[in-house]
Amino acid sequence: AQTVTQSQPEMSVQEAETVTLSCTYDTSENNYYLFWYKQPPSRQMILVIRQEAYKQQNATENRFSVNFQKAAKSFSLKISDSQLGDTAMYFCACGGSNYKLTFGKGTLLTVNP
Amino acid sequence: GAGVSQSPSNKVTEKGKDVELRCDPISGHTALYWYRQSLGQGLEFLIYFQGNSAPDKSGLPSDRFSAERTGGSVSTLTIQRTQQEDSAVYLCASSLEFRYEQYFGPGTRLTVT
Repeated sequence: AQTVTQSQPEMSVQEAETVTLSCTYDTSENNYYLFWYKQPPSRQMILVIRQEAYKQQNATENRFSVNFQKAAKSFSLKISDSQLGDTAMYFCACGGSNYKLTFGKGTLLTVNP
Repeated sequence: GAGVSQSPSNKVTEKGKDVELRCDPISGHTALYWYRQSLGQGLEFLIYFQGNSAPDKSGLPSDRFSAERTGGSVSTLTIQRTQQEDSAVYLCASSLEFRYEQYFGPGTRLTVT
């Protein structure tokens, strides 16, 4: 079983600045994956970035990068050069051997002009 | 290619009525997942299909909930004798076999009056 905790219900950032969203998780599995999903007001869940637990190198996707601290069970998302279109709910998720994902409760990010 | 589609987009029903929610996964995706997202909450796992079989039904909240998948493609989630607490957004996701990345549909917003 996994648990995922997002301790920041809401955050805001000015356009063009950098923001970091926090996530901690707990799992008994040795092989697992971590994800960040974005859910804009349209309700569509969009995969932002993924990290394989066995890889030490932090994943990056354009303006999005993660800081994966395996020993601390921490998986934070950094958004650089924030854009108005980044305004959304962001969910951290963990997937184990049964392939189903366990989600945190989300962080509402608002990018201000 | 086409993404995951769900219908209807919105459904309003009276308490006690039965409802059917449909999910059409990405072509070639053998795994299909149903999640429920209540207001202000994260995603709650309901059921998982691999092909037409459901190896994990652990998230179904009561025996009023059932799901089936036919032809390894379309899935239907049925809620019998709906209650007000069933009001939520029901999200469907699909993935390739033995892959962790799940791709979501736009969801069905169910309102029970």
